[in-house]
Amino acid sequence: DTGVSQDPRHKITKRGQNVTFRCDPISEHNRLYWYRQTLGQGPEFLTYFQNEAQLEKSRLLSDRFSAERPKGSFSTLEIQRTEQGDSAMYLCASSLLYGTVKSSGNTIYFGEGSWLTVV
Amino acid sequence: AQRVTQPEKLLSVFKGAPVELKCNYSYSGSPELFWYVQYSRQRLQLLLRHISRESIKGFTADLNKGETSFHLKKPFAQEEDSAMYYCARKAAGNKLTFGGGTRVLVKP
Repeated sequence: DTGVSQDPRHKITKRGQNVTFRCDPISEHNRLYWYRQTLGQGPEFLTYFQNEAQLEKSRLLSDRFSAERPKGSFSTLEIQRTEQGDSAMYLCASSLLYGTVKSSGNTIYFGEGSWLTVV
Repeated sequence: AQRVTQPEKLLSVFKGAPVELKCNYSYSGSPELFWYVQYSRQRLQLLLRHISRESIKGFTADLNKGETSFHLKKPFAQEEDSAMYYCARKAAGNKLTFGGGTRVLVKP
């Protein structure tokens, strides 16, 4: 499978602990996105990278959250001092920067997500 | 802020019946809209985009700027269409704003 891969798929952690998720995008995709999804809701945008540069962060991304993409390939999302409200699915996605409007060149492809449960 | 609204959380239809999933968006310029689908135990994947004006798996969606809607339709639902469907709108930076999703259950 050469799609977006995420690790771990499931994580249970105690409140106050730090957790880190990894995302490997589709090869050569220069844009990488993080979304969060809670039960009964659609995915909500958190942040995105173009190559190694983090270009936008949502207000949902509190100071406890940090994302990196050091070499413009894989990315990590770290949550420090987790709270029960952080329990959610964390989705990673990737796309090419360029593509014609009518082509699928800039289609956003999603990973299977990382489930976080904070107890 | 751009919003995407899917008023129905659950749609239950019989096989062979028509199905229509509603999607409304907040007006702002020229929207680029999508439908994503998530089958059981699979990842979220693109179903169709309005700009392509295509039919995928028998589904079509028409952008109605007057009503700010992008409803998804299929004339004859199949059991394999049972899934979660999300309407989404592209924002700056190629990121997506999603609706809350509609679960479709097609009964035999």
